[in-house]
Parts: sequence; structure tokens; C-alpha cells
Amino acid sequence: SAVISQKPSRDICQRGTSLTIQCQVDSQVTMMFWYRQQPGQSLTLIATANQGSEATYESGFVIDKFPISRPNLTFSTLTVSNMSPEDSSIYLCSVGRRSGQETQYFGPGTRLLVL
Amino acid sequence: AQKVTQAQTEISVVEKEDVTLDCVYETRDTTYYLFWYKQPPSGELVFLIRRNSFDEQNEISGRYSWNFQKSTSSFNFTITASQVVDSAVYFCALSEAGEAAGNKLTFGGGTRVLVKP
Repeated sequence: SAVISQKPSRDICQRGTSLTIQCQVDSQVTMMFWYRQQPGQSLTLIATANQGSEATYESGFVIDKFPISRPNLTFSTLTVSNMSPEDSSIYLCSVGRRSGQETQYFGPGTRLLVL
Repeated sequence: AQKVTQAQTEISVVEKEDVTLDCVYETRDTTYYLFWYKQPPSGELVFLIRRNSFDEQNEISGRYSWNFQKSTSSFNFTITASQVVDSAVYFCALSEAGEAAGNKLTFGGGTRVLVKP
């Protein structure tokens, strides 16, 4: 399995500001994903981060609110823009080596609290 | 659309008791993958097992065992002789195979397991 790190591990932010979360993998991976886990809830896929092209967003998530970058096969960022208290969640990135078969491994998560 | 249901929201047991977590799924695909993940209080998601739809063999790994029943669309997870360290939230998840599916994971709601000493 890949070693995945996320920065920051946690943050407390003021409403109206933006936070960029980084996800770094120790080896090249085909698939990278961003998930949100609201307090006491399950995980919901935000988007698939595509290397060299725009991310693919799930229903209910838009690029203006959650811009994503993926400049190479080992790194991605997720920005939570114009934050409100409803954005308080754990944000997790996950990776998979190829589409359709491989297990997804998750980073340690970023705990975000918006005041 | 695919769906995963974990009917048990919370289970509390005393150490050394066995605990079984239920998972029922819905999918129209004939080829798919089922997963169990563990989320301890620290928050990271730990991969436990992957099972593909063509492999209905049950699996045992130490104190963990999994029962895949395609006829009832269930993929249940049993922890034998539970320990306090097993206290966590456990998620069942499903992904459909193929490029079009894009490896998207659909998660169940999770079952919180509390093991008391």
C-alpha cells in the first residue's frame, strides 16, 4: 500500500476564508480522490482528481467551492473556499493504482473546524 | 445506482465477546468490489479487506472473518473475542468495476463498535 500524508492535519478557520489541503503520496498513483466526512456521518466523494485536467465532481459539489489541483501523479490539493460552519468536517484523500480493480487507501485526514 | 446499508448504528459489547457487523448492498453491476474499513478515534481510515463479486469464499484473518453471501447481497464482518482496541467505526463500501465506474466508493453509514473492558 502507498504511504499518504495530508497537510494540515487539523485547522480552525474563520468563516469566509479559504483553506488548501495537500495530499502527498510516496509513489505514483493513477487515481486520487477527495472525500468529506461530516461530524458523525459517513464518507461522501467530493471529486476525482485527474492528473493534467479538471477534476470530476460529484453531484452537489462544484469547482468554485472545492477547487482541486493535481499537477502530477503523486500530489493533489483541495481548497475549501469561502468557508461556513457547515464545512466543518474531516477531509480525506484516497489513492488507487488503477481504475476498476485496485483498493483505495486513505490519507490520515484533515480535521477542519469553521467558526 | 449503488447503495450500501449498515443497519446497526452502534454495537456495545464486553471484551472477549464476538460481534457481527451487517452490510447489505445494492448494485446493478455483475462485477463489483466490496470493502471493509476501520476508522479508530484518531480518524484515519484503515483498509481491512476487499472481496470481488466472483469470489464468494469466506475469509478469516486472525480474529476477523467475513461472510459474503451473493444470494442475499450481504457482506458481514465478525470480530471474534473482541478487544478494547477494536473500538472504532467500521465502514462497508462498494465500488463497481470498469473504467466508467471510475473506482468510486459508495460507503455505508458505518457501525460504531464499543468494546468495554
